Amino acid sequence: AQSVTQLDSQVPVFEEAPVELRCNYSSSVSVYLFWYVQYPNQGLQLLLKYLSGSTLVKGINGFEAEFNKSQTSFHLRKPSVHISDTAEYFCAVTGSGGSYIPTFGRGTSLIVHP
Amino acid sequence: EADIYQTPRYLVIGTGKKITLECSQTMGHDKMYWYQQDPGMELHLIHYSYGVNSTEKGDLSSESTVSRIRTEHFPLTLESARPSHTSQYLCASSPPYSGTSAYNSPLHFGNGTRLTVT
Repeated sequence: AQSVTQLDSQVPVFEEAPVELRCNYSSSVSVYLFWYVQYPNQGLQLLLKYLSGSTLVKGINGFEAEFNKSQTSFHLRKPSVHISDTAEYFCAVTGSGGSYIPTFGRGTSLIVHP
Repeated sequence: EADIYQTPRYLVIGTGKKITLECSQTMGHDKMYWYQQDPGMELHLIHYSYGVNSTEKGDLSSESTVSRIRTEHFPLTLESARPSHTSQYLCASSPPYSGTSAYNSPLHFGNGTRLTVT
């Protein structure tokens, strides 16, 4: 079975500072990895996805993530955050064990302070 | 801009009532899903559908039921609501697959229904 671990439940950061949200997955086969963002009172929307090829993936709103197969990680980064980035971020994985239904992590709450 | 719609957005209801949470999508997606979301917890899959007249239970035991009579519509019903059903319910869909796209197509989510059972 596939699983996702988001190591931080909450990440507070000041505006314009860099941020990294951590995600590790468990799998011994090829996987597809996703980051979703959920703003208050909304559903999830896709931030970026890794399918194959370059291990550095760029997404919307200046976010990027790096796929590291040896460390089974897919950490999300942004060099300079804004107040509007305050949201819940979810890492998800599909493909392991033949399941196309994504497994989600518990989410990381990014709180950007002025 | 949402192409998948959930109603109502908020619902407060008494114990024992029957409720139906509505979900509709206009994208022609064949696969649809219901997730339950509680603070600080993973999104738990409670039901999914491959297409019309196809429904499956997810990994989280649920007393709810679903139906898929039309491609665009995937309602979730609780026959007798209980306080333990208080949660946020998210509906999602994904497009038809060919080859590997079954695994790499992202989900499209509605804005959710926040249910409170008193």
